[in-house]
This record gives sequence, structure tokens and C-alpha cells, in this order.
Amino acid sequence: DAGVIQSPRHEVTEMGQEVTLRCKPISGHDYLFWYRQTMMRGLELLIYFNNNVPIDDSGMPEDRFSAKMPNASFSTLKIQPSEPRDSAVYFCASSPGTRPLYEQYFGPGTRLTVT
Amino acid sequence: DAKTTQPTSMDCAEGRAANLPCNHSTISGNEYVYWYRQIHSQGPQYIIHGLKNNETNEMASLIITEDRKSSTLILPHATLRDTAVYYCIVRPISNDYKLSFGAGTTVTVRA
Repeated sequence: DAGVIQSPRHEVTEMGQEVTLRCKPISGHDYLFWYRQTMMRGLELLIYFNNNVPIDDSGMPEDRFSAKMPNASFSTLKIQPSEPRDSAVYFCASSPGTRPLYEQYFGPGTRLTVT
Repeated sequence: DAKTTQPTSMDCAEGRAANLPCNHSTISGNEYVYWYRQIHSQGPQYIIHGLKNNETNEMASLIITEDRKSSTLILPHATLRDTAVYYCIVRPISNDYKLSFGAGTTVTVRA
């Protein structure tokens, strides 16, 4: 298996532009997670899905952020409009949800820079 | 979830065992101890987990004290590729799939 795939790996955009990050989870995994990592705040969970349904979005910072999972093999995280403080590395992870392991497999991340 | 305390950083010599401590004095009976690591410019990677018994896999060993208030992750023969940030996470057995990452321990393996 190729693991969790994220695209793009790097994104540079100007403030006010829309940004869309993409994730393909590992086939057969029922759970998908979006995290954000910054030097100041560390690794934070933004939202997670179970069977394509958002379960907990309490970590989404504000209405400018939205996430979708239209099918079991694809998810997007959208920021509109983007701001410089959104600059971070965004990770997608998936999990088979096997109790009690809850092991999560992380993708390589997307490094977002908003100027 | 119970809070964990880890040293900020530590060095170890290549080929030697690396012992990474973690304190979780407020851990409750239904909480597991998990370890993840993050190599530079990569996503976090699962290492091992345990409840109260010591555990071993191909990557590491996990030693949990009898009172469960602390644990030690052991990398038996550290290599340069083990240089990473190591996170100790405590979480309950539940339907909550969240992982709360703290600051972790930055481990540098030196030749």
C-alpha cells in the first residue's frame, strides 16, 4: 500500500486566496483525520471523519476552514480566504479504527505558506 | 485525558539503548499509554502502546511501572535514523479517536 497520500506537498499562496488541500487515505480505513502543526501550537487535531461523516470538528479554528469527505478514498481541507497565520504543515491521517489500538497512519504533510 | 510530562530533549550514542521516560501520574485505569515519533519533515509514526504489561515489538519496548504512573520507551540499539521527536500520549479506551500530542522529547542520536 502506498500509505496516506497528500497533495500538494508544498503550497505558497497570497493572503485572501482560496487554498485546497487533498488527502487519499489508506484503502479500507474507516477514519480520517486532519491535523495542523506549527511551532507555536504543536500538532493540533482539526477534524475527523468516520465512514465519510464528520464526527468532531471542534478543532477547526474558524469558519474560513471547511473539510469534506465525498467518498471513502478522498478528503479535502479548504481555507477561504487564507491568512498568513494559516501558514503551517497540514497532516492527514487515517485509521482502521481497530480498538483499542486506534493506530493512526500519517501522510507526509502539506506545507502551506500564506504571504 | 491524563497529562504527560517528558524531558524536552536528550542525546544518545549510536548503537546504545535509548531510554525515554514519561510521567503520567494522573493516569486512570481505563487509559492506555501510546508512543509516536516524528522524524523531521515527516508525519508522526506509531511506535507502541500498552495498558499495564510491558510490551515489545520490532521497533521498541515499553516498560510501564506497576503503579502505572510512569513509563519508559526503550530503543534497544539506537541508529541515526531514530533521531526524532518522541511523543508519549495517554488516552482512554473509548470511542474517542483523538490523539493529543504534547511537546514530546527531541532525541538526537550521535555517531
